[in-house]
Amino acid sequence: DAKTTQPNSMESNEEEPVHLPCNHSTISGTDYIHWYRQLPSQGPEYVIHGLTSNVNNRMASLAIAEDRKSSTLILHRATLRDAAVYYCILRESGNQFYFGTGTSLTVIP
Amino acid sequence: DAGVTQSPTHLIKTRGQQVTLRCSPKSGHDTVSWYQQALGQGPQFIFQYYEEEERQRGNFPDRFSGHQFPNYSSELNVNALLLGDSALYLCASSFLGKEPYEQYFGPGTRLTVT
Repeated sequence: DAKTTQPNSMESNEEEPVHLPCNHSTISGTDYIHWYRQLPSQGPEYVIHGLTSNVNNRMASLAIAEDRKSSTLILHRATLRDAAVYYCILRESGNQFYFGTGTSLTVIP
Repeated sequence: DAGVTQSPTHLIKTRGQQVTLRCSPKSGHDTVSWYQQALGQGPQFIFQYYEEEERQRGNFPDRFSGHQFPNYSSELNVNALLLGDSALYLCASSFLGKEPYEQYFGPGTRLTVT
């Protein structure tokens, strides 16, 4: 199983940027980096993914280190609706996902 | 367009019994994956079905089995239930032929084993 390491919890003030780190030192050249988030009482939802280059979408940005051993999910302006558990996942060949314990993000009004 | 649906929402079973959980994938999706999420933990991959066959399997015993039907819907069966099988069971669907292989998750079935 591909392994990722994330802080257990983080806090952010509302309307401020949030940087959620993830270490994946054993990543292989073909592993994609995916981020999902899980709001309370819901199934996980896709946030963003990337392979080597930084990525942006309407929800967030993904910054990938040059050696690909770490990545950072960036929420540009945290809102109360962003309070969730964020999972950093390495997608191996075969399309199966192995989740870690994730980072629980608290947004302070 | 309905997303991923799962039934039932909640279920209470007794140790030793058997249970069947059901999942209908998002329209256009051909792959179904099942996950077990214990309280306070991340989802753990059980297995994945594509073209009515089990393609990938996580570290779960043979008591966990599944099936995919021609309409891409899927069932998860768990035999000889243990107390430790109490968890939220999540189904996720995706389209295997297209990046980013984004998985759409259902709301889950909460299984309680007493």
